[in-house]
Amino acid sequence: GQQVMQIPQYQHVQEGEDFTTYCNSSTTLSNIQWYKQRPGGHPVFLIQLVKSGEVKKQKRLTFQFGEAKKNSSLHITATQTTDVGTYFCAGRGSGNEKLTFGTGTRLTIIP
Amino acid sequence: NAGVTQTPKFRILKIGQSMTLQCTQDMNHNYMYWYRQDPGMGLKLIYYSVGAGITDKGEVPNGYNVSRSTTEDFPLRLELAAPSQTSVYFCASSPNVGSGAQETQYFGPGTRLLVL
Repeated sequence: GQQVMQIPQYQHVQEGEDFTTYCNSSTTLSNIQWYKQRPGGHPVFLIQLVKSGEVKKQKRLTFQFGEAKKNSSLHITATQTTDVGTYFCAGRGSGNEKLTFGTGTRLTIIP
Repeated sequence: NAGVTQTPKFRILKIGQSMTLQCTQDMNHNYMYWYRQDPGMGLKLIYYSVGAGITDKGEVPNGYNVSRSTTEDFPLRLELAAPSQTSVYFCASSPNVGSGAQETQYFGPGTRLLVL
C-alpha cells in the first residue's frame, strides 16, 4: 500500500531560524496536502498542491511539489512562536478516495 | 456553520465495554472520515464514507464499525473496547475528492478515549 514518510520527526529551532520538513511517497500522487496541528488541537488544512513542480507561498511558508509528484517540502522562513506544532503532509494516489497522512514533523521553537 | 462536531470530548471505558463516538457536519459534505491518532504519532484512517449509505474500510478498521444513514452524521462504534484502542479519534469531512478539486479536509475537535 501507499506509504508517506516525513523527515525529520522532530525539529527544535531558535526563534527566527528557518525550518524545513520533507515528505516522500512510495507512489506517485495526484495531489498532496499539508496540515498543521497545534499541541492538543486538531489538524487544520494549510494548502493543496496538484501540479508537478508546483510552488505555493503563504506569507513565510513555502510549499513545493516535486517534479515526479512523489515528494514535497514545507519551508518556514524566520520562525515565530506561533509556528509551534506538528506539520503533516497527506498524499492522495491516483483514483484513490483515501488520503495517506505522513508521520509528521513536530516543530518546537526556542524563544 | 458549526463545521464538524464530535461528542463526547473525553471518555473512560472499561475493557469489554462498548460506545459510540458521534460526528456531525453541517457543511453538506459527501466525504467523511474517521482517524485515530496515538500519542506522538500520525493519523491512521479507520473508516470512510463517500456518501450516505456507503462506507468502506481504511487502514485500521478492526474493532470498529460505522454507519452513514444521513449526509450529516457518521458515528463510529467501538465493540468490546480494548486498551489498544486508547487514542484520540478525529472525524473529518471533505466536499470533493479527485479531478483536481480543492479537497480540504475539515477536522472535528477530537474525542480522547482511555480504555482501562
